[in-house]
Amino acid sequence: EVQLVESGGGLVQPGGSLRLSCAASGFTVSSNYMNWVRQAPGKGLEWVSVIYSGGSTYYADSVNGRFTISRDNSKNTLYLQMNSLRAEDTAVYYCARETGDGGYFDCWGQGTLVTVSS
Amino acid sequence: QLVLTQSPSASASLGASVKLTCTLSSGHSTYTIAWHQQQPEKGPRYLMRLSSDGRHSNGDGIPDRFSGSSSGAERYLTISSLQSEDEADYYCQTWGTGIRVFGGGTKVTVL
Repeated sequence: EVQLVESGGGLVQPGGSLRLSCAASGFTVSSNYMNWVRQAPGKGLEWVSVIYSGGSTYYADSVNGRFTISRDNSKNTLYLQMNSLRAEDTAVYYCARETGDGGYFDCWGQGTLVTVSS
Repeated sequence: QLVLTQSPSASASLGASVKLTCTLSSGHSTYTIAWHQQQPEKGPRYLMRLSSDGRHSNGDGIPDRFSGSSSGAERYLTISSLQSEDEADYYCQTWGTGIRVFGGGTKVTVL
């Protein structure tokens, strides 16, 4: 069964850092394009970042320079390193797998909540 | 700029049909999109991909009550025989090189 399980969320102060993890099962992370998507309380979905199978990475303007997406092939796990966190980064963060035939997401995790507050 | 536009809300009676619209920005009318469903307090779920010629393929376990169609820059999601569990937020999504984009979402209420 294809599954994604996020972890690492929590409460962090403004300016702090946090690393999210997304453990995959049933498929190989490094063979797929993998994404992070977030959802602020009461708001819609916002794309955050993608890492291609070849290793190229891209970011939304709102997080560029502060967040870093990466993966550990040996652990079949996706990561999101979040630095210089702001109140507006408060959201549920989802990891999502892209299909092999287009940039749309065919598998989602259950999400992990990040709260940035003093 | 690649933008997807959705109406904020829609409603229909139990057992009826509802048709949601997602509009692609100018210059992007040939893009393929995906539809995702998010039930209350749950993570999103992939429903289908939908191409500009109206061809669509539902995700695993998605019933045929969910169908897609296209016209120009408009992409549609039709839910037939509405059930109570269809009350949810629905998002369209597309992509370009190095970017992925979501519409603002449509909240469907089952009356």
